Amino acid sequence: DAGVIQSPRHEVTEMGQEVTLRCKPISGHNSLFWYRQTMMRGLELLIYFNNNVPIDDSGMPEDRFSAKMPNASFSTLKIQPSEPRDSAVYFCASSPPGGGGTGELFFGEGSRLTVL
Amino acid sequence: GENVEQHPSTLSVQEGDSAVIKCTYSDSASNYFPWYKQELGKRPQLIIDIRSNVGEKKDQRIAVTLNKTAKHFSLHITETQPEDSAVYFCAASIRGGYQKVTFGTGTKLQVIP
Repeated sequence: DAGVIQSPRHEVTEMGQEVTLRCKPISGHNSLFWYRQTMMRGLELLIYFNNNVPIDDSGMPEDRFSAKMPNASFSTLKIQPSEPRDSAVYFCASSPPGGGGTGELFFGEGSRLTVL
Repeated sequence: GENVEQHPSTLSVQEGDSAVIKCTYSDSASNYFPWYKQELGKRPQLIIDIRSNVGEKKDQRIAVTLNKTAKHFSLHITETQPEDSAVYFCAASIRGGYQKVTFGTGTKLQVIP
């Protein structure tokens, strides 16, 4: 398996533009997580899905952020409009079903977002 | 919700010495405690984990201890090597059902050759 795949790896955009980050989880994993990492705040959980259903989005900063998981193999995180304070590395992670899995989170390589 | 605190935020040790990183958690229902290592510019990767029915677990030079009563757990790295230099994150979660993992703020470990 190729692991969790994220795109783009790097994104530089201007304030006010829409940003869409994409994630393909590992096949068979039924939980998907979006994390944001900054020096100041560390790894913050933004939202997680279980069986494509958003379970907890309390970490989503504000209405400018939205996430979708239309099927088991694809998720998007959208920021509209983007602001300089959104600059961070955004990680997507997936994990197998809780009953049979180890509980390990498998992270993608991250999408480094810079908003000018 | 769960709150995980991690100390220290930075740690420098001489090669060959031991390193200890400590974490506390708030939710007594948490029963799974993984540790992740993140090398510079890379993704976090699991290095060891412990479940609440175990007090200690070892894997070569790495060990983790758990005190459920006090709600704290620690990572111990012995005979440190330069390649151990990275940021280490502790985490807590409730396994089974919907798994929400809460991370600590990270410890930047520097091993000085």
